[in-house]
Amino acid sequence: AQTVTQSQPEMSVQEAETVTLSCTYDTSESNYYLFWYKQPPSRQMILVIRQEAYKQQNATENRFSVNFQKAAKSFSLKISDSQLGDTAMYFCAFLTSGTYKYIFGTGTRLKVLA
Amino acid sequence: SAVISQKPSRDICQRGTSLTIQCQVDSQVTMMFWYRQQPGQSLTLIATANQGSEATYESGFVIDKFPISRPNLTFSTLTVSNMSPEDSSIYLCSAETGGNTIYFGEGSWLTVV
Repeated sequence: AQTVTQSQPEMSVQEAETVTLSCTYDTSESNYYLFWYKQPPSRQMILVIRQEAYKQQNATENRFSVNFQKAAKSFSLKISDSQLGDTAMYFCAFLTSGTYKYIFGTGTRLKVLA
Repeated sequence: SAVISQKPSRDICQRGTSLTIQCQVDSQVTMMFWYRQQPGQSLTLIATANQGSEATYESGFVIDKFPISRPNLTFSTLTVSNMSPEDSSIYLCSAETGGNTIYFGEGSWLTVV
C-alpha cells in the first residue's frame, strides 16, 4: 500500500526567506502523480503544485518549486520569498496513475513571521 | 480547474439530527469525492459519488450514515445522519476535472453538540 510521510508537523520562516517542506512516499508503482496542497485558515484546500512521476524536470509555479527525487521517493516543496499569506497547513498527496485514490500526508503547519 | 461551491460553510447541529451538505461544480465532471477532515487531522476519503449509480464507500464509512446523491454531472450532496459529537469535522467536496488532479470546495465545518 502507498504511504505518504510528512515528518515536520510545524515549521516557521521569516517573511522573504526560503523554506523547504519535506515529503517522502512509499510505492511500488512506476506511474503516479504527486501534489502539494495548501489549506489556509479559511479551510479550503488549494492546489499549489503537481508533478508527474515520469517527468524528470522539477515542477515550478512562481515562488513554489519541488525537488522530486524518484529513486529516493522524496518530494519536497520549496517556497521562495515567503509571504504572510503563505501561512497555512501544507499537505503532500500521492495518486497512482489510473486510480482516483489520493493518499494524503499528515500535513505541515507553516507559519510565516513578519 | 473548477470552481466548487459548498454549503453550508459551517453549522452547529444537535446530536441525533441529520444535515445535508450540497456541492456544486461550475462545469461537468465525471468524478466527485467527499472527504472528512477531523480536527487537526489529514483528509480521509468517505466515498466517490458516482453519477447515476450508488456511491462507492471507503472502509469504515457506510451508506446509512453518509448517504450521497449525485443526480447530475455538476452536483452532489452528502448527508451526515444521526449525528454525534464524533462527527464534528470539516467535510470537503472535491472533483476531478481532468489531468488526474482534484480540486476542492471551501469545506463545510460541522460542530455537533
